[in-house]
Amino acid sequence: EAQVTQNPRYLITVTGKKLTVTCSQNMNHEYMSWYRQDPGLGLRQIYYSMNVEATDKGDVPEGYKVSRKEKRNFPLILESPSPNQTSLYFCASSPTGIKGNEKLFFGSGTQLSVL
Amino acid sequence: AQKVTQAQTEISVVEKEDVTLDCVYETRDTTYYLFWYKQPPSGELVFLIRRNSFDEQNEISGRYSWNFQKSTSSFNFTITASQVVDSAVYFCALSEMNSGGYQKVTFGTGTKLQVIP
Repeated sequence: EAQVTQNPRYLITVTGKKLTVTCSQNMNHEYMSWYRQDPGLGLRQIYYSMNVEATDKGDVPEGYKVSRKEKRNFPLILESPSPNQTSLYFCASSPTGIKGNEKLFFGSGTQLSVL
Repeated sequence: AQKVTQAQTEISVVEKEDVTLDCVYETRDTTYYLFWYKQPPSGELVFLIRRNSFDEQNEISGRYSWNFQKSTSSFNFTITASQVVDSAVYFCALSEMNSGGYQKVTFGTGTKLQVIP
C-alpha cells in the first residue's frame, strides 16, 4: 500500500531534549516536506526536500533541522525543543514537486508536546 | 505573497442540510492550483479535489461540489445533504511554484464542520 509513515504518533518531551520525528514514503517520491498545524494558523511549511541531499527552508524553519540521505526518508530534528514547538506535525510527499498540480500525500501526523 | 482565507472557523449543521465552505485566495501568478483537503477526527489529511487556474468549470462528485470563480478569487465547497461522516476540518490550499521552481502550497486556517444527527 502506498503510504507515508510517520513515527511516533504522539510524543511528550521536555525543553532542550533533542528529538527526531521520522518520515518514510514508499512511493519513490522525490519531493517531501514537513508541516506544522496549529489552531487558527492552519498548516505551515517547515522544510522541504526536492531530492536526496537537497533541502530548503519553508515558512517556519527556525528551531528545526532536516536531512535527506535516502530518497524514502526525511526525518525532522528538533535539536533543542521549546514549548512553542508544541504542535501537530505532518510529513508529506509528492511525485516531483516541480508541478504545481501534484497532490500531497500526508502521513498520519505526530502530536508533539514540549513541557 | 500567496494567501488563503477561510473565514468560517466553525460551522454546525443538522444532518441532511446543505452547507457551503468558503475559500478566498490571493495570488499574483496566472498559473496556480487550488485544492481541498479533509481532516476527519482521526487526524489524517485526505485529498478531495484540485483545480487549475484555467479551468473554471464547476465540479460535482456525489454530494460534493466545488464552485471556482476567478473573478472573485474564490473556490467554495458545498456538501449537499450532509451526513455525520462529513464532520471534519476542511482545508483549502493554493499551490504555486516558488522562486526555486518547486511547488509551494499555502493552506488556509481550516473550517471545522460539525454535522449533528
